[in-house]
Amino acid sequence: IAGITQAPTSQILAAGRRMTLRCTQDMRHNAMYWYRQDLGLGLRLIHYSNTAGTTGKGEVPDGYSVSRANTDDFPLTLASAVPSQTSVYFCASNTGGTDNQPQHFGDGTRLSIL
Amino acid sequence: SQQGEEDPQALSIQEGENATMNCSYKTSINNLQWYRQNSGRGLVHLILIRSNEREKHSGRLRVTLDTSKKSSSLLITASRAADTASYFCATRSGGYQKVTFGIGTKLQVIP
Repeated sequence: IAGITQAPTSQILAAGRRMTLRCTQDMRHNAMYWYRQDLGLGLRLIHYSNTAGTTGKGEVPDGYSVSRANTDDFPLTLASAVPSQTSVYFCASNTGGTDNQPQHFGDGTRLSIL
Repeated sequence: SQQGEEDPQALSIQEGENATMNCSYKTSINNLQWYRQNSGRGLVHLILIRSNEREKHSGRLRVTLDTSKKSSSLLITASRAADTASYFCATRSGGYQKVTFGIGTKLQVIP
């Protein structure tokens, strides 16, 4: 079934550790996004990529990095995790282009930083 | 800051009733989208309305857009227990690929 796969589904991590959240899509979408969802704050964009080889900063990029080596994969890395990064992380994708098409979402990674 | 703000933040209705959720935004938009999120899952796109459209239908969903008031509403008619979820509006502005999501309305439909 076509869609977005995120891994892991959940993780408990000690503060200071490095963590990479994985995201893979099989829809050949050009654009991909990482959001964090926090109670009362909704979804906030962390980083995005309009096409393979390019990335951009969203609303809350500090403490996170991304790469887009190919069309399908868009990993999100926390270099040194802090408790404020406890959240649910969602990866999304769409076809991109000037007429914004609906985004397709994965089911999220629930991350707890202790 | 959030571009879209949904109202109410929570809504509880009986099965069969209609549910109306509102979204207000601050800046000019290209389009406005509504998404649904079931508990523990990712968001699922429901409907997109462009800035030059005033109303759009999809099954039991009806979306209106009033650009002069910078607001949109999502109406779910004849609600079902399976409609229980959180609903988000999302707006796209300017030339960006990015959309900005509101904080959502949590809908509970009681059987």
